[in-house]
Amino acid sequence: EVQLVESGGDWVQPGGSLRISCAASGFTFSNYWMSWVRQTPGKGLEWVANIKQDGSEKYYLDSVKGRVTISRDNAKSSLYLQMNSLRAEDTAVYYCACPHYYESGRFYVDYWGQGTPVTVSS
Amino acid sequence: IQLTQSPSSLSASVGDRVTITCRASQAISSYLAWYQQKPGKAPKLLISAASTLQSGVPSRFSGSGSGTDFTLTISSLQPEDFATYYCEQLNSYPLTFGGGTKVEIK
Repeated sequence: EVQLVESGGDWVQPGGSLRISCAASGFTFSNYWMSWVRQTPGKGLEWVANIKQDGSEKYYLDSVKGRVTISRDNAKSSLYLQMNSLRAEDTAVYYCACPHYYESGRFYVDYWGQGTPVTVSS
Repeated sequence: IQLTQSPSSLSASVGDRVTITCRASQAISSYLAWYQQKPGKAPKLLISAASTLQSGVPSRFSGSGSGTDFTLTISSLQPEDFATYYCEQLNSYPLTFGGGTKVEIK
């Protein structure tokens, strides 16, 4: 059974830092790109970052560039998101996701975690 | 690339035919996904590549379109279909989602 289990979500003051993690199991983690997607309270979904299988390529949402770093440890089947200089607008549930399903040149997210909440507030 | 979903919400009855549209601000070929999300749950992939139904998804769901205009159709709404639906484009970074369509019981 595929599992993506996020952890590390917390309350943090504006300007602070936080690292959230995702432990993957049930599939060959090192074979797939991985993603972070967030959802603000009562609002929609927002893609945050992607990382290639070996970590050599990373892509970010413009509003988090320079403040957020996606990384992975394939030996531990784990994904991370280091968030610095946090702002109130970063408050969201952060989902770990795997674009595992391939079709016609693109990988689609069909594996999702349960989400970890991050609150940025003074 | 901006994705505009319409309507943002709708009320419908069991058995109704429901159509949700997603319009991209520029052409995205068929690199579009549709997700269903229920309260407190992660999204679920329904359709990939604009029209491919995922395994286990009921055949009452269908997707169509290419370029800039896409639709998700539920041919006969069932009680378990009341949820929020999102489109996502995978044509280019940054990946983007539509604003969502909440389907409620009439």
